[in-house]
Amino acid sequence: AAGVIQSPRHLIKEKRETATLKCYPIPRHDTVYWYQQGPGQDPQFLISFYEKMQSDKGSIPDRFSAQQFSDYHSELNMSSLELGDSALYFCASSLAGARTGELFFGEGSRLTVL
Amino acid sequence: GNSVTQMEGPVTLSEEAFLTINCTYTATGYPSLFWYVQYPGEGLQLLLKATKADDKGSNKGFEATYRKETTSFHLEKGSVQVSDSAVYFCALKSGGTSYGKLTFGQGTILTVHP
Repeated sequence: AAGVIQSPRHLIKEKRETATLKCYPIPRHDTVYWYQQGPGQDPQFLISFYEKMQSDKGSIPDRFSAQQFSDYHSELNMSSLELGDSALYFCASSLAGARTGELFFGEGSRLTVL
Repeated sequence: GNSVTQMEGPVTLSEEAFLTINCTYTATGYPSLFWYVQYPGEGLQLLLKATKADDKGSNKGFEATYRKETTSFHLEKGSVQVSDSAVYFCALKSGGTSYGKLTFGQGTILTVHP
């Protein structure tokens, strides 16, 4: 079965640079979530989109922005990168009408800021 | 707001030992509850779920029962294997918002020795 696809899997950037992460949800899923997981930490919710509109916002820095496109894929744009942005970034998708509402996670994109 | 509290780790067991990882939650309404597992270097995988009080989720020998009276969702397995070594996250999703985000506990590292 198709899963959530994230790219790139690994990314190395310098401080103050910009990075873009992409997420392709499971086909027919209409909701996308972004999470940030620091070393040894639990995943922290950043932002979510339902039917291409922002549905919820968590602890996402102002330097970050995200959107969901017409084909339901999503991109997380991160500017003015800081050392503290080094983390594993997960994308997850779900089907809003599904009763259990479980989230399906991608394998993550590991961002290292030097 | 919603919150999830897991027992502090790490947990170290011998193969075939009994496992319990405690999880309690605070939430409004009637949340859905989940256990996710993260193997080294990999993404989050759904282990089991329960959507209403007294539901028992089970998968791969793991079980957890949704206890509304004690607001708990403890994870148990009768006989652990070395391959169960991973980080386990308890999570909840608020009821009433079909596209609601997951709130994670801090994770419990499990190491199983032969």
